Amino acid sequence: SYELTQPPSVSVYPGQTASITCSGDKLGDEYACWYQQKPGQSPVLVIYQDTSRPSGIPERFSGSNSGNTATLTISGTQAMDEADYYCQAWDTTTAGVVFGGGTKLTVL
Amino acid sequence: EVQLLESGGNLIQSGGSLRLSCAASGFTVSSNYMSWVRQAPGKGLDWVSLFYSGGSSYYADSVKGRFTISSDNSKNTLYLQMNSLRAEDTAVYYCARVRGDGYNNYYFDLWGRGTLVTVSS
Repeated sequence: SYELTQPPSVSVYPGQTASITCSGDKLGDEYACWYQQKPGQSPVLVIYQDTSRPSGIPERFSGSNSGNTATLTISGTQAMDEADYYCQAWDTTTAGVVFGGGTKLTVL
Repeated sequence: EVQLLESGGNLIQSGGSLRLSCAASGFTVSSNYMSWVRQAPGKGLDWVSLFYSGGSSYYADSVKGRFTISSDNSKNTLYLQMNSLRAEDTAVYYCARVRGDGYNNYYFDLWGRGTLVTVSS
């Protein structure tokens, strides 16, 4: 089955840029999206179709997807961005949704 | 207001059955792809099923043959019938609206608050 791999944790200082990667075989040939989940809350879509940002999501969130890696970038990271982040794609081989294991972003 | 509200979660013994409901407001379930996603305590997101009313249904291998997704368009409600429950099915179950192209681009733009299912062994 298709797997998406994320680093378990990423740390960043306030105001700096955080990059969270998501790796999968030929992921760049598929669409990737990203969710933010804060403790005790439901996930929130922050990036879809590789690079698009839903209404209400700050411009500091951006995405890219090429080769085997999709990347979520948070520019000028703020304390409120501390959360778990999950990547997600569609596995056309098995016709199913696949999530990455999640990355805990810590703002130091 | 556009929202999803899940219900039906409970404590149940292994081997038992449970039906979860997800009431939608502000949009029509029958006009959208819909999905269930679960999250075991302290773990990551785990996709369960995806469905389009009158169309195809898709299931994760871990629940195939045990879970059934459906909808009642008159009630604008999505369901998940769960049979032969196992301890590893213990999780918060989220209902989500799906967007995308219906081919290889699916993403969840609206999530409910979730309902907790606990399966005791």
